[in-house]
Amino acid sequence: GQQLNQSPQSMFIQEGEDVSMNCTSSSIFNTWLWYKQDPGEGPVLLIALYKAGELTSNGRLTAQFGTTRKDSFLNISASIPSDVGIYFCAGQNSGGSNYKLTFGKGTLLTVNP
Amino acid sequence: NAGVTQTPKFRVLKTGQSMTLLCAQDMNHEYMYWYRQDPGMGLRLIHYSVGEGTTAKGEVPDGYNVSRLKKQNFLLGLESAAPSQTSVYFCASSYSPGPRAANEQFFGPGTRLTVL
Repeated sequence: GQQLNQSPQSMFIQEGEDVSMNCTSSSIFNTWLWYKQDPGEGPVLLIALYKAGELTSNGRLTAQFGTTRKDSFLNISASIPSDVGIYFCAGQNSGGSNYKLTFGKGTLLTVNP
Repeated sequence: NAGVTQTPKFRVLKTGQSMTLLCAQDMNHEYMYWYRQDPGMGLRLIHYSVGEGTTAKGEVPDGYNVSRLKKQNFLLGLESAAPSQTSVYFCASSYSPGPRAANEQFFGPGTRLTVL
């Protein structure tokens, strides 16, 4: 089946630093989604990307749909303590079951005040 | 709107016991999903439904059954619980019209299940 490799697995940064994480796929996706999960909560959708090369922002977060359609990137600028959590990427392609997502294993972000 | 809700929030079972997890959504979504989340494994799809009265198997369906008798509810059943089913279970839903909106899944807060 499809696999998503998400990196890094974890990050420990100082408040105010910028953060970058990415996902790569073994196959082409035509949708990329980025979620954040706070401790003890369910994932919350941050950004959705639908077109190769698309760059979308949500506050301090910016995500890009890679031009090869096999990767996506998430950047967080000027990190703050509430950015702590697990960030998941998810991809989907329209072949066959177009309502199922494939999830990465997550990037655990820790922000030191 | 409450969004996606799940009951119960926590549960402890003994091996062999049965239980049902309830998911409800008030967004009139067509599609609903059950995932399990284990450390280092990410989110894995158990079963899903593309409409009332329909269900299908996901990536890890063994040991679980589901039912979607009403559009707003999706039930996950464990007939004979095993320790390997200790996990956090998440329900999600998404809207169907148009390929764009169907991909944006909204998650509930989760049910933490321990099987002893």
